[in-house]
This record gives sequence, structure tokens and C-alpha cells, in this order.
Amino acid sequence: GAVVSQHPSRVICKSGTSVKIECRSLDFQATTMFWYRQFPKQSLMLMATSNEGSKATYEQGVEKDKFLINHASLTLSTLTVTSAHPEDSSFYICSARDPQGNEKLFFGSGTQLSVL
Amino acid sequence: GENVEQHPSTLSVQEGDSAVIKCTYSDSASNYFPWYKQELGKRPQLIIDIRSNVGEKKDQRIAVTLNKTAKHFSLHITETQPEDSAVYFCAALWGSGGYQKVTFGIGTKLQVIP
Repeated sequence: GAVVSQHPSRVICKSGTSVKIECRSLDFQATTMFWYRQFPKQSLMLMATSNEGSKATYEQGVEKDKFLINHASLTLSTLTVTSAHPEDSSFYICSARDPQGNEKLFFGSGTQLSVL
Repeated sequence: GENVEQHPSTLSVQEGDSAVIKCTYSDSASNYFPWYKQELGKRPQLIIDIRSNVGEKKDQRIAVTLNKTAKHFSLHITETQPEDSAVYFCAALWGSGGYQKVTFGIGTKLQVIP
């Protein structure tokens, strides 16, 4: 299947700093990527849909100014958590649609963010 | 939007026994239902999926059944092994065109006891 690479895998930062997470589609172009957040022992909650060359679509309750998404190329989407606070600590994971055009999603390896 | 409910939240079975996880969905227009296995701190891995035009799909020890009328689908794992221990998520695809989204169930933590 398609491979989605996500970095970093783990980041610890101080409260108030910003953190950038990268999601790359390897060997295929992803016009759409999805960003999820997962709290411990909970499900994956869709945060936003990232569209190449246009603005991201955010889910209800997700602050677009806090979670900046940039999808400047067909292989890279980034999520920046601005002015991070302890409550932003979570597992963030991206996914991309199968390049073969079906409904399958392939996930990145996730980023564990810990804000002190 | 779509609402996906999943149960049980935890499930313990003896090695060799079968495990069944059930999900329901609310949007009758949903037509694709994947199941994911996630180990601690790892990415979800697609293990099986089913489309709404079939009622059952099997892949070795794993099978999924779908009842469109009742809007529920189930994951069946037979001859469970310790390495099957993980969290399993059901999901449903809804929406249309470029606005399709996947909603996940809350997850089931499966423990296979050797």
C-alpha cells in the first residue's frame, strides 16, 4: 500500500511555543490529506481536511488559527500547533487517500506531542 | 454527519477463541466501512474493509459482515492469537465527492490471553 511518512514521531515543548508536524506522501501525490487527533484511550477525531493549493477545511470546534495547516505541494502537508498549551498534548496523526482512487486511507506514524 | 457507535470497549478472550466487535452507523448513505488495528503508539493499520454492495467479506481469520438495513457491521476474528491484542476501530465513510470523511468508532481494546 501507499506510504505516508510523518515527522517528528515525538516532541516535547514548553508552553507557548509552536510545533510543526510534517506529513509526506511517498511515491504518490496526495491532493487531500486528513489530520486527526487522538487522546489516550480515545478514538481518532478528525481535525481538518487539508487540500493542496487551497485552504484547509476545519471541523467544528477546531480553531483554525491555533492549528495552522499548509498543503503547499502534492506530497507535503504540515500542521503547526501555535502557542501550544498542556491541553494540546495529544497524538496527532495524518492520513492520505489511496492514490489508486478508492476509499482507503493510509496513515502516517503519528506524532506524540507533550506540552510542558 | 455520521455517528459511529462501537462495542464492547474492552474484550478479553482466550487464545484460540473467537472475538466479535460490533458497530452501528447513522448515515444510511455511508457505503464504505473499514476496520483498523492500532497497537500502542503506532499508526492504525487497515485490516479489512467492506463496501455496501456486499454483505460479508473474509480474509483468512478475519471477517466482516454488514447489514445495511439495520445499519450495523461486525468484525469477527477466529482462532485468536496473542498478537491479535490491540485496539480495533471501525469506521464509516460518508459525504460525497471531495467532501467525503471517515468517522471512527470509539475503539475496542482486545486482549488475547495465552
